[in-house]
Amino acid sequence: AQTVTQSQPEMSVQEAETVTLSCTYDTSESNYYLFWYKQPPSRQMILVIRQEAYKQQNATENRFSVNFQKAAKSFSLKISDSQLGDTAMYFCAFKAGTASKLTFGTGTRLQVTL
Amino acid sequence: GAVVSQHPSRVICKSGTSVKIECRSLDFQATTMFWYRQFPKQSLMLMATSNEGSKATYEQGVEKDKFLINHASLTLSTLTVTSAHPEDSSFYICSAREVVAVTETQYFGPGTRLLVL
Repeated sequence: AQTVTQSQPEMSVQEAETVTLSCTYDTSESNYYLFWYKQPPSRQMILVIRQEAYKQQNATENRFSVNFQKAAKSFSLKISDSQLGDTAMYFCAFKAGTASKLTFGTGTRLQVTL
Repeated sequence: GAVVSQHPSRVICKSGTSVKIECRSLDFQATTMFWYRQFPKQSLMLMATSNEGSKATYEQGVEKDKFLINHASLTLSTLTVTSAHPEDSSFYICSAREVVAVTETQYFGPGTRLLVL
C-alpha cells in the first residue's frame, strides 16, 4: 500500500514571499503520478500541479513548481510570489499507474499574511 | 480544467430519512467517479469508486447498504445516504476521472454539507 506524508500541519508566509511545502511518499510502484491539490475556505478542491514519475523534468505551472526527487521519494511544492488567494489547505496525492484512486496526505494549512 | 458539479450543496434532514447527492461531469465523460468524506480539518477519505454500468467498489469499513451508489450514465453518479443518522453528518465530495490520451486527472465537485438532526 502507498502512503503519503505531509509533515507540516501549518505554515505561514508573507505576501510576495516564497514558501515550500513538503511531501514524501512510499511506494513499490515504478509507474505513478503525483499531484498537489488546493482546498481554499470554499472547500472546492482545485488541482494545482501534477508530475508523472517517468518525467525527470520538474513540473511548473506559473507561480507553482515542484521539486521531484524520485530516489528520495520526495515531492515538494514551491509557491513563488505568494498571494493572499493562496491561503488554503494543500494536499499532496499519489496515484499508482495501474490504479484509479488517489491516496492523499494529511494536508498542510498555508496562511498568507500581509 | 474540467468542471464537476454537485447537488445539493447543503442539506439538512431528519434522522431516519434518506438523502441523495448528485455528481455530474459537465464537459467530459467519466466512466469512473469517486465519493469521499471529509471531517473538519482532516484529509479526504475515499468511500467508494463508482463505475459506469457496474457496481461500485467500496473501501473497507464503508457500508454499501447504507451508502448506495449509482452510476447510470457517463456524466452522472449519485450517492444515497439511507436511513441517515447524526453520525452521518459530514462533508461529502465527489470527483470524476477525466482521461485524455494517457493523461488521467481527477476533478472535484464543490462538495455537499450534510447535517442530520
